[in-house]
Amino acid sequence: NAGVMQNPRHLVRRRGQEARLRCSPMKGHSHVYWYRQLPEEGLKFMVYLQKENIIDESGMPKERFSAEFPKEGPSILRIQQVVRGDSAAYFCASSPSLALWTDGYTFGSGTRLTVV
Amino acid sequence: QKEVEQNSGPLSVPEGAIASLNCTYSDRGSQSFFWYRQYSGKSPELIMSIYSNGDKEDGRFTAQLNKASQYVSLLIRDSQPSDSATYLCAVKNTGNQFYFGTGTSLTVIP
Repeated sequence: NAGVMQNPRHLVRRRGQEARLRCSPMKGHSHVYWYRQLPEEGLKFMVYLQKENIIDESGMPKERFSAEFPKEGPSILRIQQVVRGDSAAYFCASSPSLALWTDGYTFGSGTRLTVV
Repeated sequence: QKEVEQNSGPLSVPEGAIASLNCTYSDRGSQSFFWYRQYSGKSPELIMSIYSNGDKEDGRFTAQLNKASQYVSLLIRDSQPSDSATYLCAVKNTGNQFYFGTGTSLTVIP
């Protein structure tokens, strides 16, 4: 019973390149949440997705960032034309379609993006 | 005003002492409250949840909630060096959305 799986664990990109981060939710979960953690800071909400739908992207920067959760396959967080300020840990969590308000999130191991 | 505020610390306590971590939140409609522990370079790990006013105990951990004052706290009794980590307070609001504090760094000194 695998948990939330993220890959890659570490990703190094040069400025201007694209970064693709993947998240496979826990089995049976159809909701995915992406968070970003800058060094020495807390977790910041980015986007909440259901299969084939973006539910809330209020935390996502308006430019260069996009997310999807296709019917088949993992959720993808895509960062185009990366800049040094994008260097951070990106965490994904998932929940069932009928998550209770008492449910806490279980996070994946994260992807640590370094932009050089 | 931030949704969830924590004292960033660092907080240092000697081994065996009680560590007290505090958190305040701004949304009065928030319904559920969580404490996560995060070791350096690792992902956050859920350790406690609380929904009703009062105390909730789980082993050496006690979560306390006061909705009228909008604060949540975490007490760690008999602190161990392995408790040294950053503790994140999280609040789930009426929209089922999580908000995290910036975390309190705890060091337990042997």
